[in-house]
Amino acid sequence: DIQMTQSPSTLSAFVGDRVTITCRASQSISSWLAWYQQKPGKAPKLLIYKASSLESGVPSRFSGSGSGTEFTLTISSLQPDDFATYYCQQYNSIREYTFGQGTKLEIK
Amino acid sequence: EVQLMESGGGLVQPGGSLRLSCAASGFTFSSYWMSWVRQAPGKGLEWVANIKQDGSDKYYVDSMKGRFTISRDNAKNSLYLQMNSLRAEDTAVYYCARTERVRAGYFDYWGQGTLVTVSS
Repeated sequence: DIQMTQSPSTLSAFVGDRVTITCRASQSISSWLAWYQQKPGKAPKLLIYKASSLESGVPSRFSGSGSGTEFTLTISSLQPDDFATYYCQQYNSIREYTFGQGTKLEIK
Repeated sequence: EVQLMESGGGLVQPGGSLRLSCAASGFTFSSYWMSWVRQAPGKGLEWVANIKQDGSDKYYVDSMKGRFTISRDNAKNSLYLQMNSLRAEDTAVYYCARTERVRAGYFDYWGQGTLVTVSS
């Protein structure tokens, strides 16, 4: 089974800050990684797929990078609407999908 | 507009069964793999199962194999999850999610979720 580990678990930042969240896979997943944003009481929303492709309608301040086992999600300039929990998800095989444990982004 | 609407959640006793449904609209349902993803209260996301467009292939997370069964009815644009031998740790919001078409990997649309509570 492929394990996904996100860091940090919690991140405090100011509006306008640049923040980076890291996701590590227990084995290589090429670029088969997605990022989601989830707000309390809501379903997750797709932000990034194939490690660095921005989903339609998602602001360009969100970007993703990485391949193999290490990936990052960067928000270039935090906006008030960005405070949420972020999850990575690997889809290297259709037989098994795995999410990271989540990173809660809080207002400092 | 793509819409996914789950139903069938509720309170069930340990050892009981429940069938969740997901009604899909706004896209050609029979052209997509579909999945169930769950989230226990205050916890992260956990993929549960997926099913191929024609229902011929199905995969499950190991911890739910043998207890949960995913199915679909393309004529009714509906996805189902039959859950048996339910345990307290199955308490969660269950989301229906459309799996993107190219590699059937990530989830591009989600329903609003239905809450399943397993408790005596």
